[in-house]
Amino acid sequence: NAGVTQTPKFQVLKTGQSMTLQCAQDMNHEYMSWYRQDPGMGLRLIHYSVGAGITDQGEVPNGYNVSRSTTEDFPLRLLSAAPSQTSVYFCASRATGGREQYFGPGTRLTVT
Amino acid sequence: GQQVMQIPQYQHVQEGEDFTTYCNSSTTLSNIQWYKQRPGGHPVFLIQLVKSGEVKKQKRLTFQFGEAKKNSSLHITATQTTDVGTYFCAGRGGQNFVFGPGTRLSVLP
Repeated sequence: NAGVTQTPKFQVLKTGQSMTLQCAQDMNHEYMSWYRQDPGMGLRLIHYSVGAGITDQGEVPNGYNVSRSTTEDFPLRLLSAAPSQTSVYFCASRATGGREQYFGPGTRLTVT
Repeated sequence: GQQVMQIPQYQHVQEGEDFTTYCNSSTTLSNIQWYKQRPGGHPVFLIQLVKSGEVKKQKRLTFQFGEAKKNSSLHITATQTTDVGTYFCAGRGGQNFVFGPGTRLSVLP
């Protein structure tokens, strides 16, 4: 099993550009989520999904969109990038009723 | 909303010394998890505590959940250089977890 994979590993965007961060898992987990990690602030939940076709907002959803058309994939879309979105983004998945979240390797995004 | 705090923010220890990080929630938690993130890496699950007053051990790591289920601690005995990283607690509120800001541990050889 590859676990949770994320692409790209690094990305630099200009203000106003849009892009999609990809996340996929091969563990058949129903629950998937996106976090951003900023220095001194831990991991903050952006959006999450409890299954295909179901998504919901987390703590910091503004400026981001998600969709969940399959169990495996949970892409995160930045609509119009802003410097405040410079961060490290982690995707995670968990089995329904499971304990631990499995995190992907992260995407380091810089917006100039 | 629910807030989870951790202290200290940073801890520098000499190899062989003990280390403790504390986690406090503004609300009662159904359970709490601990994760470790090595420098440049991603968070990795360590343990989950569910019961009030629960204590669990993993080799040199001891995890405790408070009686009121609002606080938790992680204690490492005789730190090693492999313990370097940031330790996060995550408290469950609803179906999501709220992460604390983490404690970054440095171990000097």
